[in-house]
Amino acid sequence: AQTVTQSQPEMSVQEAETVTLSCTYDTSESDYYLFWYKQPPSRQMILVIRQEAYKQQNATENRFSVNFQKAAKSFSLKISDSQLGDAAMYFCAYTYSGGSNYKLTFGKGTLLTMNP
Amino acid sequence: NAGVMQNPRHLVRRRGQEARLRCSPMKGHSHVYWYRQLPEEGLKFMVYLQKENIIDESGMPKERFSAEFPKEGPSILRIQQVVRGDSAAYFCASSPRTGDPHEQYFGPGTRLTVT
Repeated sequence: AQTVTQSQPEMSVQEAETVTLSCTYDTSESDYYLFWYKQPPSRQMILVIRQEAYKQQNATENRFSVNFQKAAKSFSLKISDSQLGDAAMYFCAYTYSGGSNYKLTFGKGTLLTMNP
Repeated sequence: NAGVMQNPRHLVRRRGQEARLRCSPMKGHSHVYWYRQLPEEGLKFMVYLQKENIIDESGMPKERFSAEFPKEGPSILRIQQVVRGDSAAYFCASSPRTGDPHEQYFGPGTRLTVT
């Protein structure tokens, strides 16, 4: 079974600084997608960024980028120029892309708070 | 294009009552996934449905829980004889049949409290 591990229950960052959230996963598959979701206090799940495993290039979306290390099964999220609105729970998620069932397996999350 | 809608947003039930949670997917989406988020936890997959079919219910408890996605109308997650441990946030997500099926769009969730 696939598992996703987020080893940092909580992280903090100062405005305008950079922070990196860690995620490791375990799978025997070679075709999969990885995602980072943001969950603010409203609880709405918002897709931040996604990475296809077959792509070597790391995904980027504005201030958000990932460091995807397929051999190490590592998928970290870097947030640059942090803003107050970035404070939220962040979940790493995995789905196998070789079939037609794209159910997501989530990590337990990392709570990102902003330092005053 | 309206997003995924869930109702009610908050639901309070006494132990032993039934809870019905509704999910209306995005227009053009025919795949629905249900997830449960217990306090201080990540989301856990419960069931995957397409119109009139349950495709994967491997994450759903064997008893008291059922789900459906009829030809017309929203998807329903039904919990019979609720217990305190059912208190959680329940999210549904939808994805399209064609195009990019890997990306799931989440609803705002239903927060179930069992007293």
